[in-house]
Amino acid sequence: DVKVTQSSRYLVKRTGEKVFLECVQDMDHENMFWYRQDPGLGLRLIYFSYDVKMKEKGDIPEGYSVSREKKERFSLILESASTNQTSMYLCASSLTGWNEQYFGPGTRLTVT
Amino acid sequence: AQKVTQAQTEISVVEKEDVTLDCVYETRDTTYYLFWYKQPPSGELVFLIRRNSFDEQNEISGRYSWNFQKSTSSFNFTITASQVVDSAVYFCALSEVYNQGGKLIFGQGTELSVKP
Repeated sequence: DVKVTQSSRYLVKRTGEKVFLECVQDMDHENMFWYRQDPGLGLRLIYFSYDVKMKEKGDIPEGYSVSREKKERFSLILESASTNQTSMYLCASSLTGWNEQYFGPGTRLTVT
Repeated sequence: AQKVTQAQTEISVVEKEDVTLDCVYETRDTTYYLFWYKQPPSGELVFLIRRNSFDEQNEISGRYSWNFQKSTSSFNFTITASQVVDSAVYFCALSEVYNQGGKLIFGQGTELSVKP
């Protein structure tokens, strides 16, 4: 079974802090993704990566950056957290761009 | 532009009823994939099915079935004899291959509530 793990289920940070969300997959997938999910707005893609050190902006990249130094790990970085970044963050991976994505359990981030 | 519409925001049924979740998509691509995901109250999205644009055959998996019709750009999902454990938010999604990667365009989701 594909396993996608995220470093925390719940996280509380203060405005202005630098926040790292980590995601690891164990199936040698090429593609990895970061989404945020908010009530009424559905899932929105923040960034994705189709190879090590490669990244592409999604629909809402502002305020975020990503890092993929190793194939299995994809990190989402909030350089200076703001209250409007309070959300559920979901990581996913897929073998190729045509394949299904497998999701992690999510990190519920609260910025106060 | 790519778009997925799930017009039903919420559906409530009583256990053992059949229920159909609608999904309509828009794309200019000739090759694409469609997906359904389930998000139970625990929050983790669970992959249910992937269907490519060249295969219009309906699919059945236990109590779940999917009806793909290119003529109407729809990919509907039916649960037969619903159970309380089917209560979840269900998302339909469309693939968009972008450069060497790919991303999914999700619908807004349909929240299904199955009451005992």
